[in-house]
Amino acid sequence: EPEVTQTPSHQVTQMGQEVILRCVPISNHLYFYWYRQILGQKVEFLVSFYNNEISEKSEIFDDQFSVERPDGSNFTLKIRSTKLEDSAMYFCATRGEGASGQPQHFGDGTRLSIL
Amino acid sequence: QKEVEQDPGPLSVPEGAIVSLNCTYSNSAFQYFMWYRQYSRKGPELLMYTYSSGNKEDGRFTAQVDKSSKYISLFIRDSQPSDSATYLCAITTHTGNQFYFGTGTSLTVIP
Repeated sequence: EPEVTQTPSHQVTQMGQEVILRCVPISNHLYFYWYRQILGQKVEFLVSFYNNEISEKSEIFDDQFSVERPDGSNFTLKIRSTKLEDSAMYFCATRGEGASGQPQHFGDGTRLSIL
Repeated sequence: QKEVEQDPGPLSVPEGAIVSLNCTYSNSAFQYFMWYRQYSRKGPELLMYTYSSGNKEDGRFTAQVDKSSKYISLFIRDSQPSDSATYLCAITTHTGNQFYFGTGTSLTVIP
């Protein structure tokens, strides 16, 4: 069964450094999302992306965050200057065309640890 | 008010029990409803997806939606130890631009 692939599985970074998290969507999927899950807490929406544009973003997704699809396959989340509170699991999710509520499929996440 | 509220649990049941997991939501604009299962340090895995009131069955799992009460449920029949995980409800509107997740219910099925 096709799956969403995320790399790296674990990223350790010094506070203030930039990180880029990568996601390879399921091949025919066109809607992309990033979520964050702080240890022991709920899955929180960050941003949705379609047709090379952000569709919606949450309050968490401030100017330190950006997303892009640089080469038509990967979908990336960049955090420009990381803070300690950015430590979390980051999940990419994708879904295909069709009914708007068509469910998302998730990758296994990148565990980001900020030191 | 949160968009979706989920009974936090944790739940601990004996093998073979029927499990009921529940969420309520606040806005009638939400039209699509999902249940995900999440194992430790893994991404959420889609279990059930529905958009109409009523029941939808898939093997041992039944998703129930009551739009008039803004209430969704997941029932697990004949629960197995492998069902031990955190279960997340998720909802979205017709745009699908943002999905809202419940806080998750941790389930342990004891052999």
